[in-house]
Amino acid sequence: DSGVTQTPKHLITATGQRVTLRCSPRSGDLSVYWYQQSLDQGLQFLIQYYNGEERAKGNILERFSAQQFPDLHSELNLSSLELGDSALYFCASSVGQGLNSPLHFGNGTRLTVT
Amino acid sequence: GIQVEQSPPDLILQEGANSTLRCNFSDSVNNLQWFHQNPWGQLINLFYIPSGTKQNGRLSATTVATERYSLLYISSSQTTDSGVYFCAETSGSRLTFGEGTQLTVNP
Repeated sequence: DSGVTQTPKHLITATGQRVTLRCSPRSGDLSVYWYQQSLDQGLQFLIQYYNGEERAKGNILERFSAQQFPDLHSELNLSSLELGDSALYFCASSVGQGLNSPLHFGNGTRLTVT
Repeated sequence: GIQVEQSPPDLILQEGANSTLRCNFSDSVNNLQWFHQNPWGQLINLFYIPSGTKQNGRLSATTVATERYSLLYISSSQTTDSGVYFCAETSGSRLTFGEGTQLTVNP
């Protein structure tokens, strides 16, 4: 058990809808990262938050947004969903601001857009 | 940008065999990590190894930063070792993953 908690495990929704994925980092970790894993794109970095503030952005679409709350949990919001958004979405956490410590992943949320 | 290449792409072993997975980098190694994604999709951090050698049970890893490669050794493989092994390198806050090595261990 990595200590990173993601909910829900599975999500099935229709095109055009909006969903929210939730992540609780490991105790003591201040950074939260979101990754998308699809068959054709592999593991893609979306966005990082550190202690409530956005720190880095990767290949995140404008239809997607995220935030980190004072209790350090994070939410990833996906809107106007398209078939191509179907993927495994991972949250990960680490202690510091930069990746100079191990990154621990949650079990992921499998999103299916129909 | 940073390129991470892993080899071999696929590997099939009999239980009990040993194997070596390789990871090459296009840039200087920085905060290299190895992960195992099991058949249920869970991504597990195996090693954080910017340089040197570490061991954890039947697994060990070596990173030679000056030569831009890292190796993951699996000894006495078990069926539970099956899955995809990724190496990943850091650039700022971004972890760039390789394509992975798909390992299948047969009983």
